[in-house]
Amino acid sequence: DVKVTQSSRYLVKRTGEKVFLECVQDMDHENMFWYRQDPGLGLRLIYFSYDVKMKEKGDIPEGYSVSREKKERFSLILESASTNQTSMYLCASQQRYQPQHFGDGTRLSIL
Amino acid sequence: AQTVTQSQPEMSVQEAETVTLSCTYDTSESDYYLFWYKQPPSRQMILVIRQEAYKQQNATENRFSVNFQKAAKSFSLKISDSQLGDAAMYFCAYRSRSNAGGTSYGKLTFGQGTILTVHP
Repeated sequence: DVKVTQSSRYLVKRTGEKVFLECVQDMDHENMFWYRQDPGLGLRLIYFSYDVKMKEKGDIPEGYSVSREKKERFSLILESASTNQTSMYLCASQQRYQPQHFGDGTRLSIL
Repeated sequence: AQTVTQSQPEMSVQEAETVTLSCTYDTSESDYYLFWYKQPPSRQMILVIRQEAYKQQNATENRFSVNFQKAAKSFSLKISDSQLGDAAMYFCAYRSRSNAGGTSYGKLTFGQGTILTVHP
């Protein structure tokens, strides 16, 4: 079974902090994704990566950046956290043309 | 850009009965995938069923089946013999099959979600 592991299940940070959300997959998948989930809005794509050091903006990239130095790890970075970034963050990985596999999510609160 | 709409924020069903969740989408493409994902309280998104647009036959996975109406751009999920474990948030999602620029094939567009409650 594919395993996608997100480093934290719950996280509380303060406004202005730099925040790192980590995601690791164990199946050598090419593609990795970061989504944000908000009530009534479903999941929205922040960034995705289709190879090491390669990234592409999703639908809501503002205020976020990403890093993929190794194939198995995809990090989401909040450069200067703001309260409107309080949300559930979901990471997913995918082998080309196959369905995406998701992690358990990180519920992030920015105070 | 593609959009996916789930017009039912909440649905409920009695155990052992059948429920249908609705999903419509908008696209100008002719070849694509459609998915239903389940998100239980544990939060992990689980793939329920997948439909390829070029296939006319509706996909079925045990108690889960879809009604795919390509012309109407409709993709509903039917859950038969509902069980308590089916209680979850359900998301409909769209993915292009095209490989424009080599990077677009993986992106999912999700609907807003439907919370399904199952009553014993």
